Amino acid sequence: DVKVTQSSRYLVKRTGEKVFLECVQDMDHENMFWYRQDPGLGLRLIYFSYDVKMKEKGDIPEGYSVSREKKERFSLILESASTNQTSMYLCASSESMGVVYGYTFGSGTRLTVV
Amino acid sequence: GENVEQHPSTLSVQEGDSAVIKCTYSDSASNYFPWYKQELGKRPQLIIDIRSNVGEKKDQRIAVTLNKTAKHFSLHITETQPEDSAVYFCAARVFTVRNQFYFGTGTSLTVIP
Repeated sequence: DVKVTQSSRYLVKRTGEKVFLECVQDMDHENMFWYRQDPGLGLRLIYFSYDVKMKEKGDIPEGYSVSREKKERFSLILESASTNQTSMYLCASSESMGVVYGYTFGSGTRLTVV
Repeated sequence: GENVEQHPSTLSVQEGDSAVIKCTYSDSASNYFPWYKQELGKRPQLIIDIRSNVGEKKDQRIAVTLNKTAKHFSLHITETQPEDSAVYFCAARVFTVRNQFYFGTGTSLTVIP
């Protein structure tokens, strides 16, 4: 019944490494989102994409980039991981604007940068 | 952009009591307000939502109320049970943005048996 799949539940990376977080959805949703979740800060939007090869910055895009080459896959890239990027990363998808539905979230990837 | 504030950040109730979580939003263009429940180690899941043309919605033990004039909405859980223990997030959707949701900072609810 899993509809949004994040490739890793836990990751440990070293400072300076390039990190790829993958998200795949099987609901044919147009919109996909990457959030990071930190205690006391809730969910903060990093990037979102409303179509293949389209992307828009969210509230905290610094240090991140994204790729959406296919409709079902949205990748978050940490170009050079830093310790302040240690967090829980949540991917979500939704239908496009005009259809009022909530998000469907993935299970999250807990990234630790050492 | 939209700003969503959520209170309280933590809430403890005795089993069987009611729990209320409140959120305020800033953008009058917001027209859809979902609530998510995130159990420990699991993904957030939509539990109830309300649209701006409705003042109240109920689903068994949970209900959501919306006051558009005051720009606040609340989640009410009655007859709480230990399995209601989780983090709850409110969100607001601004119609003019591509289905982007703005989330509150979360409320950690603990139901004490």
